[in-house]
Amino acid sequence: DGGITQSPKYLFRKEGQNVTLSCEQNLNHDAMYWYRQDPGQGLRLIYYSQIVNDFQKGDIAEGYSVSREKKESFPLTVTSAQKNPTAFYLCASSLGRGLALETQYFGPGTRLLVL
Amino acid sequence: DQQVKQNSPSLSVQEGRISILNCDYTNSMFDYFLWYKKYPAEGPTFLISISSIKDKNEDGRFTVFLNKSAKHLSLHIVPSQPGDSAVYFCASKDTGFQKLVFGTGTRLLVSP
Repeated sequence: DGGITQSPKYLFRKEGQNVTLSCEQNLNHDAMYWYRQDPGQGLRLIYYSQIVNDFQKGDIAEGYSVSREKKESFPLTVTSAQKNPTAFYLCASSLGRGLALETQYFGPGTRLLVL
Repeated sequence: DQQVKQNSPSLSVQEGRISILNCDYTNSMFDYFLWYKKYPAEGPTFLISISSIKDKNEDGRFTVFLNKSAKHLSLHIVPSQPGDSAVYFCASKDTGFQKLVFGTGTRLLVSP
Protein backbone atom coordinates (compact mmCIF):
# COMPACT_ATOMS: atom_id res chain seq x y z
CA ASP A 1 0.00 0.00 0.00
CA GLY A 2 1.98 2.98 -1.31
CA GLY A 3 1.84 6.41 0.16
CA ILE A 4 3.47 9.28 1.98
CA THR A 5 3.85 9.28 5.74
CA GLN A 6 4.66 12.26 7.92
CA SER A 7 5.55 12.19 11.57
CA PRO A 8 4.78 13.32 14.11
CA LYS A 9 1.21 14.53 13.59
CA TYR A 10 1.74 17.28 16.18
CA LEU A 11 5.06 18.80 17.22
CA PHE A 12 5.86 21.38 19.86
CA ARG A 13 8.89 23.64 19.65
CA LYS A 14 10.46 25.64 22.43
CA GLU A 15 12.15 28.97 21.82
CA GLY A 16 15.61 28.56 20.31
CA GLN A 17 15.08 24.90 19.52
CA ASN A 18 15.55 23.16 16.20
CA VAL A 19 12.97 20.52 15.31
CA THR A 20 12.88 17.99 12.48
CA LEU A 21 9.79 16.84 10.62
CA SER A 22 9.90 13.46 8.97
CA CYS A 23 8.60 12.60 5.50
CA GLU A 24 8.84 9.14 3.95
CA GLN A 25 7.39 7.86 0.67
CA ASN A 26 7.25 4.39 -0.86
CA LEU A 27 5.86 5.47 -4.23
CA ASN A 28 9.26 5.28 -5.93
CA HIS A 29 8.97 8.99 -6.71
CA ASP A 30 12.10 10.96 -7.55
CA ALA A 31 10.81 14.40 -6.57
CA MET A 32 9.79 15.51 -3.08
CA TYR A 33 8.53 18.83 -1.71
CA TRP A 34 7.84 20.66 1.53
CA TYR A 35 5.00 23.18 1.81
CA ARG A 36 3.73 25.35 4.61
CA GLN A 37 0.06 26.25 5.06
CA ASP A 38 -1.09 29.15 7.23
CA PRO A 39 -4.75 29.91 8.01
CA GLY A 40 -6.55 31.49 5.06
CA GLN A 41 -3.58 31.04 2.79
CA GLY A 42 -2.60 28.65 0.08
CA LEU A 43 0.33 26.30 0.24
CA ARG A 44 3.74 27.92 -0.03
CA LEU A 45 6.79 26.00 -1.20
CA ILE A 46 9.68 25.79 1.27
CA TYR A 47 12.12 23.40 -0.44
CA TYR A 48 12.01 20.78 -3.14
CA SER A 49 14.26 17.99 -4.33
CA GLN A 50 14.23 16.50 -7.80
CA ILE A 51 16.71 13.75 -7.07
CA VAL A 52 18.77 12.26 -4.25
CA ASN A 53 21.51 14.53 -2.90
CA ASP A 54 20.05 17.57 -4.63
CA PHE A 55 17.54 20.17 -3.43
CA GLN A 56 16.49 23.74 -4.21
CA LYS A 57 15.01 26.57 -2.20
CA GLY A 58 11.38 27.41 -2.71
CA ASP A 59 9.65 30.70 -2.01
CA ILE A 60 10.05 30.74 1.78
CA ALA A 61 13.22 28.77 2.57
CA GLU A 62 14.64 31.13 5.23
CA GLY A 63 14.83 29.47 8.62
CA TYR A 64 14.48 25.94 7.21
CA SER A 65 16.91 23.26 6.08
CA VAL A 66 16.51 19.90 4.34
CA SER A 67 18.50 16.85 3.31
CA ARG A 68 17.90 14.19 0.70
CA GLU A 69 20.24 11.30 1.43
CA LYS A 70 17.75 8.62 0.43
CA LYS A 71 15.14 8.54 -2.31
CA GLU A 72 12.41 7.65 0.18
CA SER A 73 13.13 10.34 2.76
CA PHE A 74 13.11 14.15 2.79
CA PRO A 75 13.30 15.49 6.37
CA LEU A 76 12.69 19.17 7.08
CA THR A 77 14.41 20.97 9.97
CA VAL A 78 12.79 24.10 11.33
CA THR A 79 15.64 26.07 12.84
CA SER A 80 15.59 28.70 15.57
CA ALA A 81 16.07 31.28 12.80
CA GLN A 82 12.47 30.69 11.69
CA LYS A 83 10.68 33.35 13.74
CA ASN A 84 7.12 32.31 12.95
CA PRO A 85 7.16 28.52 12.71
CA THR A 86 3.59 27.82 13.83
CA ALA A 87 1.89 26.31 10.76
CA PHE A 88 0.70 23.13 9.11
CA TYR A 89 3.55 21.48 7.19
CA LEU A 90 2.85 19.29 4.19
CA CYS A 91 5.20 16.97 2.36
CA ALA A 92 4.51 15.91 -1.22
CA SER A 93 6.10 13.77 -3.88
CA SER A 94 5.85 13.29 -7.63
CA LEU A 95 7.41 11.09 -10.28
CA GLY A 96 9.76 13.85 -11.40
CA ARG A 97 12.13 12.56 -14.10
CA GLY A 98 11.42 15.63 -16.22
CA LEU A 99 7.78 14.78 -16.76
CA ALA A 100 5.82 17.90 -17.67
CA LEU A 101 2.27 16.90 -16.80
CA GLU A 102 2.76 15.32 -13.44
CA THR A 103 0.80 15.38 -10.22
CA GLN A 104 2.07 15.96 -6.71
CA TYR A 105 0.68 13.71 -3.99
CA PHE A 106 0.55 14.85 -0.39
CA GLY A 107 1.13 13.34 3.02
CA PRO A 108 -1.21 13.88 5.99
CA GLY A 109 0.73 16.83 7.40
CA THR A 110 2.42 17.84 10.66
CA ARG A 111 1.13 20.69 12.79
CA LEU A 112 3.94 22.58 14.48
CA LEU A 113 3.18 24.68 17.54
CA VAL A 114 5.49 26.94 19.52
CA LEU A 115 5.46 26.70 23.32
CA ASP B 1 2.26 38.94 -6.37
CA GLN B 2 -0.50 36.34 -6.29
CA GLN B 3 -0.33 34.44 -9.54
CA VAL B 4 -3.27 32.13 -8.74
CA LYS B 5 -6.42 33.61 -7.23
CA GLN B 6 -9.52 32.05 -5.80
CA ASN B 7 -11.66 35.08 -5.12
CA SER B 8 -14.49 33.28 -3.32
CA PRO B 9 -13.38 32.20 0.14
CA SER B 10 -16.55 30.16 0.63
CA LEU B 11 -19.48 28.66 -1.23
CA SER B 12 -22.68 27.06 0.08
CA VAL B 13 -24.70 24.67 -2.06
CA GLN B 14 -27.60 22.32 -1.45
CA GLU B 15 -27.16 18.60 -1.90
CA GLY B 16 -27.90 17.49 -5.45
CA ARG B 17 -27.21 20.90 -6.99
CA ILE B 18 -24.16 21.98 -8.96
CA SER B 19 -21.11 23.46 -7.23
CA ILE B 20 -18.93 25.77 -9.32
CA LEU B 21 -15.55 26.78 -7.96
CA ASN B 22 -13.52 29.39 -9.81
CA CYS B 23 -9.85 30.15 -10.19
CA ASP B 24 -7.98 32.88 -12.08
CA TYR B 25 -4.31 32.99 -12.96
CA THR B 26 -2.05 35.71 -14.25
CA ASN B 27 1.01 33.86 -15.55
CA SER B 28 0.54 33.09 -19.24
CA MET B 29 3.31 30.49 -19.00
CA PHE B 30 1.14 28.22 -16.84
CA ASP B 31 0.11 25.23 -18.89
CA TYR B 32 -0.98 22.58 -16.40
CA PHE B 33 -3.72 23.05 -13.84
CA LEU B 34 -4.84 20.89 -10.92
CA TRP B 35 -7.59 20.85 -8.32
CA TYR B 36 -7.07 19.46 -4.84
CA LYS B 37 -9.57 18.80 -2.07
CA LYS B 38 -8.55 19.24 1.55
CA TYR B 39 -10.20 18.30 4.82
CA PRO B 40 -9.08 20.02 8.06
CA ALA B 41 -5.82 18.69 9.50
CA GLU B 42 -5.27 16.42 6.50
CA GLY B 43 -3.14 16.63 3.39
CA PRO B 44 -4.69 17.73 0.08
CA THR B 45 -6.08 14.99 -2.15
CA PHE B 46 -5.66 15.27 -5.91
CA LEU B 47 -9.01 15.52 -7.72
CA ILE B 48 -8.57 16.35 -11.38
CA SER B 49 -6.19 18.12 -13.74
CA ILE B 50 -6.15 19.68 -17.19
CA SER B 51 -3.41 20.65 -19.59
CA SER B 52 -3.53 23.80 -21.67
CA ILE B 53 -4.13 21.86 -24.88
CA LYS B 54 -7.61 20.99 -23.63
CA ASP B 55 -10.55 23.11 -22.54
CA LYS B 56 -12.45 20.45 -20.60
CA ASN B 57 -11.69 17.33 -18.61
CA GLU B 58 -14.22 15.11 -16.88
CA ASP B 59 -13.90 12.49 -14.18
CA GLY B 60 -17.17 11.22 -12.79
CA ARG B 61 -18.97 14.02 -10.98
CA PHE B 62 -16.04 16.40 -11.46
CA THR B 63 -15.40 18.50 -14.57
CA VAL B 64 -12.71 21.12 -14.99
CA PHE B 65 -13.06 23.84 -17.63
CA LEU B 66 -10.16 25.96 -18.87
CA ASN B 67 -10.56 29.29 -20.66
CA LYS B 68 -7.04 30.22 -21.70
CA SER B 69 -7.92 33.58 -23.20
CA ALA B 70 -9.52 34.65 -19.91
CA LYS B 71 -6.88 32.86 -17.81
CA HIS B 72 -9.70 31.23 -15.90
CA LEU B 73 -10.53 27.73 -14.81
CA SER B 74 -13.48 26.30 -12.97
CA LEU B 75 -14.36 23.08 -11.24
CA HIS B 76 -17.93 21.80 -11.54
CA ILE B 77 -19.25 19.19 -9.13
CA VAL B 78 -22.54 17.59 -10.17
CA PRO B 79 -24.42 16.46 -8.19
CA SER B 80 -22.96 17.90 -5.01
CA GLN B 81 -22.91 15.65 -1.95
CA PRO B 82 -22.40 16.48 1.75
CA GLY B 83 -19.11 14.56 1.64
CA ASP B 84 -17.84 17.11 -0.86
CA SER B 85 -17.71 19.70 1.94
CA ALA B 86 -14.04 20.66 2.15
CA VAL B 87 -11.58 23.32 1.05
CA TYR B 88 -10.73 23.19 -2.64
CA PHE B 89 -7.41 24.51 -3.93
CA CYS B 90 -6.52 25.15 -7.52
CA ALA B 91 -2.87 24.93 -8.48
CA SER B 92 -1.04 25.91 -11.63
CA LYS B 93 2.28 24.95 -13.13
CA ASP B 94 4.62 26.05 -15.82
CA THR B 95 5.71 22.68 -17.18
CA GLY B 96 9.21 24.02 -17.63
CA PHE B 97 9.49 24.17 -13.84
CA GLN B 98 8.86 21.77 -10.99
CA LYS B 99 6.91 24.22 -8.84
CA LEU B 100 3.16 24.29 -8.27
CA VAL B 101 1.56 27.64 -7.41
CA PHE B 102 -1.52 27.37 -5.22
CA GLY B 103 -4.54 29.59 -4.77
CA THR B 104 -5.81 30.45 -1.30
CA GLY B 105 -8.67 27.95 -1.43
CA THR B 106 -12.48 28.00 -1.43
CA ARG B 107 -14.40 26.37 1.39
CA LEU B 108 -17.37 24.43 0.00
CA LEU B 109 -20.27 23.53 2.24
CA VAL B 110 -22.88 21.15 0.85
CA SER B 111 -25.96 21.01 3.01
CA PRO B 112 -28.45 18.11 3.00
